[in-house]
Amino acid sequence: QSALTQPASVSGSPGQSITISCTGTSSDVGGYNYVSWYQQHPGKAPKLMIYDVSKRPSGVSNRFSGSKSGNTASLTISGLQAEDEADYYCCSYAGSSTYWVFGGGTKLTVL
Amino acid sequence: EVQLVQSGAEVKKPGESLKISCKGSGYSFTSYWIGWVRQMPGKGLEWMGIIYPGDSDTRYSPSFQGQVTISADKSISTAYLQWSSLKASDTAMYYCARTQWPFSSTSPFDYWGQGTLVTVSS
Repeated sequence: QSALTQPASVSGSPGQSITISCTGTSSDVGGYNYVSWYQQHPGKAPKLMIYDVSKRPSGVSNRFSGSKSGNTASLTISGLQAEDEADYYCCSYAGSSTYWVFGGGTKLTVL
Repeated sequence: EVQLVQSGAEVKKPGESLKISCKGSGYSFTSYWIGWVRQMPGKGLEWMGIIYPGDSDTRYSPSFQGQVTISADKSISTAYLQWSSLKASDTAMYYCARTQWPFSSTSPFDYWGQGTLVTVSS
């Protein structure tokens, strides 16, 4: 069982928006503004899409945005494109004993 | 250009030892933490631990403490992940990755290696 809970799958049509949730506890997501999101295409290494809850690394499309409320973080992808189809993982800092924990991952299907 | 290049795929038997590597280039290797992430077949990502090559300060996830050893040789800009006695359940893809900001262990991973597939089977 993963430390952070994500839906197993989400889907959307091209052009639509989708949101992936990531639920933790006050010891991880709720306790720190250190939530990041990774995209992973099949057979590839993960790619950092969002860090510090809502910041985008250079080169990441502004169609990707992040937010947090309480113990739940969210990744929103607007204007869905076929290339967005991938697995998405949230990750949160969880203090100096556990360090970082990942969510179980969400498979995004673009219909 | 920042690059992390990992060693090649390994096939081992249960009980054998193994050390895989991750060579960094294109940045100050001693200034950024390097971490290891496990991905079992068809499963999600698991954070294993990180090391600061500058002084070899190492932190482990409680799930992996005592199961693996993370080390680094700053003279050749290489980090390592090793097992003393492999189990079939260690079969997975292992990624190394660099923290986004120098000196900071609370920084996410921005550059990743290509992964090393470890297969443990009798």
